[in-house]
Amino acid sequence: NAGVTQTPKFQVLKTGQSMTLQCAQDMNHEYMSWYRQDPGMGLRLIHYSVGAGITDQGEVPNGYNVSRSTTEDFPLRLLSAAPSQTSVYFCASSRDLAGPYNEQFFGPGTRLTVL
Amino acid sequence: GNSVTQMEGPVTLSEEAFLTINCTYTATGYPSLFWYVQYPGEGLQLLLKATKADDKGSNKGFEATYRKETTSFHLEKGSVQVSDSAVYFCALRNAGNNRKLIWGLGTSLAVNP
Repeated sequence: NAGVTQTPKFQVLKTGQSMTLQCAQDMNHEYMSWYRQDPGMGLRLIHYSVGAGITDQGEVPNGYNVSRSTTEDFPLRLLSAAPSQTSVYFCASSRDLAGPYNEQFFGPGTRLTVL
Repeated sequence: GNSVTQMEGPVTLSEEAFLTINCTYTATGYPSLFWYVQYPGEGLQLLLKATKADDKGSNKGFEATYRKETTSFHLEKGSVQVSDSAVYFCALRNAGNNRKLIWGLGTSLAVNP
């Protein structure tokens, strides 16, 4: 299993540009989420999905869109990039939300810089 | 609401020293508790977890015990190595309908040879 994969690893955008961060998992996990990690702020949840066709907002959803058309993929779209979106983005998945299989598996991250 | 509080870092230790990173939580019901580790330039990975009171999670020489009476899940290791240098995150997943992961801010550990 490849686990959770993310592309690209690094990206530089200009203010106002749009782009999609890709995330895929091959573990047949129902639950997927996107976080951003900023110094001194820990991990903040952007959006999450509890299954194909179902998404919901996290703590900091503004400026981001998601969709979940398949179990495997959960792309994150930046609609009009702003310098405040400079961050490291992590995608994560888990098999369950409760019970013994509720830990999250993380991708390697995408480091995004918005100029 | 639910929250996780970790001791602030950075923590700097010499090799073979004893490590404790404190984590306390506020939650309703009986959450699952986790420690994740992030090595430089990498994503987070699960280090250990505990799903009920008095459970002890352990992995790679690290241990943490779920203490409901003190609402704590402190991470310990008896003898740290340089390779343990990383950022450590405490987290909880509430047993309620929400079930989102609630994260601490992370504690940076540097181990010197």
